[in-house]
Amino acid sequence: GAGVSQSPSNKVTEKGKDVELRCDPISGHTALYWYRQSLGQGLEFLIYFQGNSAPDKSGLPSDRFSAERTGGSVSTLTIQRTQQEDSAVYLCASSLIKAQSGNTIYFGEGSWLTVV
Amino acid sequence: AQSVTQLGSHVSVSEGALVLLRCNYSSSVPPYLFWYVQYPNQGLQLLLKYTSAATLVKGINGFEAEFKKSETSFHLTKPSAHMSDAAEYFCAVSQTGANNLFFGTGTRLTVIP
Repeated sequence: GAGVSQSPSNKVTEKGKDVELRCDPISGHTALYWYRQSLGQGLEFLIYFQGNSAPDKSGLPSDRFSAERTGGSVSTLTIQRTQQEDSAVYLCASSLIKAQSGNTIYFGEGSWLTVV
Repeated sequence: AQSVTQLGSHVSVSEGALVLLRCNYSSSVPPYLFWYVQYPNQGLQLLLKYTSAATLVKGINGFEAEFKKSETSFHLTKPSAHMSDAAEYFCAVSQTGANNLFFGTGTRLTVIP
């Protein structure tokens, strides 16, 4: 597709359930990022993938959070045993190469997660 | 370490008035600086970026920003606000060796008719 695609756009889940959020980056982009945006907060970096390299997981808030990227393209962010504080917008982004060279990062429209 | 501070979580301007959104950065090496805009229920869209070329950067929708190293600032301006400019604006910084962008907490711009 033309842009970063995320699904679902909205998800309401019960506390304690697992959720999976999907991201389809822009074709040809080797770098993929997940960010979390909580109400009234800025964007919090979660995880970064670059090609076949080991991902940078330094932003994951707990071991309930994990992500994978299959075939260097589609990525799935999984949150296990969801808690109410996990309620947020989860934004996926991609870029041609990583951000360090000032490359533009393109964002999807986000997956709005509500844990009740 | 690098970080971004956006002064003013909410800014209101009258339609046609100057827009000034403030951003100060902290970086140990020359940074790359970005402004993104987020319209309601949408993702982030790049407005403009500074990558060590011209210090005055022009972006989309009439916005521009000036990189001032002595002030460690990258303030966003627009001469005349339009109702369609109402949105949340994020300043972000990255630098060589970093894997991602570091974002400020955002400034919500309201345009009063």
